Amino acid sequence: QKEVEQDPGPLSVPEGAIVSLNCTYSNSAFQYFMWYRQYSRKGPELLMYTYSSGNKEDGRFTAQVDKSSKYISLFIRDSQPSDSATYLCAISPGANNLFFGTGTRLTVIP
Amino acid sequence: DAGVTQSPTHLIKTRGQQVTLRCSPKSGHDTVSWYQQALGQGPQFIFQYYEEEERQRGNFPDRFSGHQFPNYSSELNVNALWLGDSALYLCASSPVSSSEQFFGPGTRLTVL
Repeated sequence: QKEVEQDPGPLSVPEGAIVSLNCTYSNSAFQYFMWYRQYSRKGPELLMYTYSSGNKEDGRFTAQVDKSSKYISLFIRDSQPSDSATYLCAISPGANNLFFGTGTRLTVIP
Repeated sequence: DAGVTQSPTHLIKTRGQQVTLRCSPKSGHDTVSWYQQALGQGPQFIFQYYEEEERQRGNFPDRFSGHQFPNYSSELNVNALWLGDSALYLCASSPVSSSEQFFGPGTRLTVL
């Protein structure tokens, strides 16, 4: 069983839609949760970082963590064509290695 | 403030050769991690360096080795390259005791 499971998509939505991206994980020792955005052939860019259950909002992005269900989500409101990218969830037990999902490829259609 | 930088951008090698990739961390960061990202996959952790020592290692063979210098920059060395080593190699930096990692643009390695 993989440490982190993520639906690879692809996911296509019209501009302005709300996007929901999700990951599940297996190890309750994981304490830190991140979402990265990766454009084609580029390095991942950190979007959201959180370490507690609940919601964290930053502009159009909301990260949600449910530790009891081992489930994390990223919501994108008012999606834009520039949001088209691969979104990676990453989870860590501490200040060391990150375990990544496979990434969800998102396309926002104008 | 420069972010994480990596060199070279692209590299083509043949099977059996050796390669060295380089990384400079973000200013103020002293911990460097290396990841391998195959096409269509998420990054896989190779190892992490702190205070010039390997702090943790993922499930990669000894052909993968690294080094960290006193200025916190780092190198990844891969010996006896084979086709399966073709991937995007990512360097990430973070402050000590933080899991918040910032990635560089990566080095795309192609092994022929």
